[in-house]
Amino acid sequence: NAGVMQNPRHLVRRRGQEARLRCSPMKGHSHVYWYRQLPEEGLKFMVYLQKENIIDESGMPKERFSAEFPKEGPSILRIQQVVRGDSAAYFCASSSFVDVETQYFGPGTRLLVL
Amino acid sequence: AQSVTQLDSQVPVFEEAPVELRCNYSSSVSVYLFWYVQYPNQGLQLLLKYLSGSTLVESINGFEAEFNKSQTSFHLRKPSVHISDTAEYFCAVTPTGAGSYQLTFGKGTKLSVIP
Repeated sequence: NAGVMQNPRHLVRRRGQEARLRCSPMKGHSHVYWYRQLPEEGLKFMVYLQKENIIDESGMPKERFSAEFPKEGPSILRIQQVVRGDSAAYFCASSSFVDVETQYFGPGTRLLVL
Repeated sequence: AQSVTQLDSQVPVFEEAPVELRCNYSSSVSVYLFWYVQYPNQGLQLLLKYLSGSTLVESINGFEAEFNKSQTSFHLRKPSVHISDTAEYFCAVTPTGAGSYQLTFGKGTKLSVIP
């Protein structure tokens, strides 16, 4: 049973470019979460989505960041006009309807903004 | 809102010695508690969790944690560590009940097992 998949694993962007991070949840999981990990910090919640719905985006920066989880396909975290401060590891997690409290994490995407 | 404090940022310990990684939390509501482990350049792996029932929970690789509601703690212990336990450990909480299940994490404890 495949775990949470994220791609790309590493992403390099220049300031002002767009970054698109993809997350495929575990099979049978309909809840997706995105977290950001800055150096020497714990993970910080960004957004919680179910299929076609944003449930909680209280941790998302107000500008340049957006997330979606379409009916078909992976969840996408999009960062427009990246800045150096966006450099971090971005982790996706998923949970199932029957065990919604327990989140399983993907390997992460490490974004480097030059 | 919840907060999690992991009191030790780094813990060195000799192989086969016991270890305790401390975690305290603050919350105005009931919470579920988790420990995750992160190996270098990898994602987080669920180590163990407390949702309800017995306050002592165990993992398959010898770790255990005990939920202490009065002290708002969820310390992680292992009686004898191995080199392969070298990693960073994160304590996390989420509020019980319906709604958002966002996890609030501590800053992590780096466990270094010395041969």
